[in-house]
Amino acid sequence: EIVMTQSPLSLPVTPGEPASISCRSSQSLLRSNGYIYLDWYMQKPGQSPQLLIYLGSNRASGVPDRFSGSGSGTDFTLKISRVEAEDVGVYYCMQALQIPYTFGQGTRLKIK
Amino acid sequence: EVQVLESGGALVQPGGSLRLSCATSGFTFSSFAMSWVRQAPGKGLEWVSGIIGSGDTRYYADSVKGRFTISRDNSENTLSLQMNNLRAEDTAVYFCAKAMGAEAVALWDFWGRGTQVTVSS
Repeated sequence: EIVMTQSPLSLPVTPGEPASISCRSSQSLLRSNGYIYLDWYMQKPGQSPQLLIYLGSNRASGVPDRFSGSGSGTDFTLKISRVEAEDVGVYYCMQALQIPYTFGQGTRLKIK
Repeated sequence: EVQVLESGGALVQPGGSLRLSCATSGFTFSSFAMSWVRQAPGKGLEWVSGIIGSGDTRYYADSVKGRFTISRDNSENTLSLQMNNLRAEDTAVYFCAKAMGAEAVALWDFWGRGTQVTVSS
């Protein structure tokens, strides 16, 4: 099973400032087809999770361009260029390379 | 508009059984894989099981293998999860999630609101 580790687990951010979440996998998520099987989900308080980024760096439909994903191999980053109040919630990375799919512990973004 | 709606959650005793259902609409159900993902109280997300669009292939997390069975009825646009021999650690909100393709059971672009399963005596 691939272990996913996120940091930090809590992230207080001032509105308008950037934010960055790190995710590390216990093995490379790069498949021979050249794709990176790393997705990011976000769960707002009291809501279901929603897809933010897929295959490492592709924004899902309707996701603002202030969100971006990057990384390769085993180290990945989710960046928010300018945090807004509506970005409050828990962010999860997930590996989709092999079953069982596994999530990171989650990073709780809070507004200062 | 895509809609995904879970039902069937309940309070059940350890060792008991429960069947969850997920009714869908707004898309060609048979063309998309589906999964169940759960979230224990105050905890993170855990993928439970997935099934491809045709229903021919099913996948399970080790924690539920041999106890849970995923199935789908493409004529009724519904997904099901039969849960047997339930344990306290199965207590969670269970989400039904639509995948973006027919074969890969990950990459979920639509999620239901979830249904609560509580296993307790």
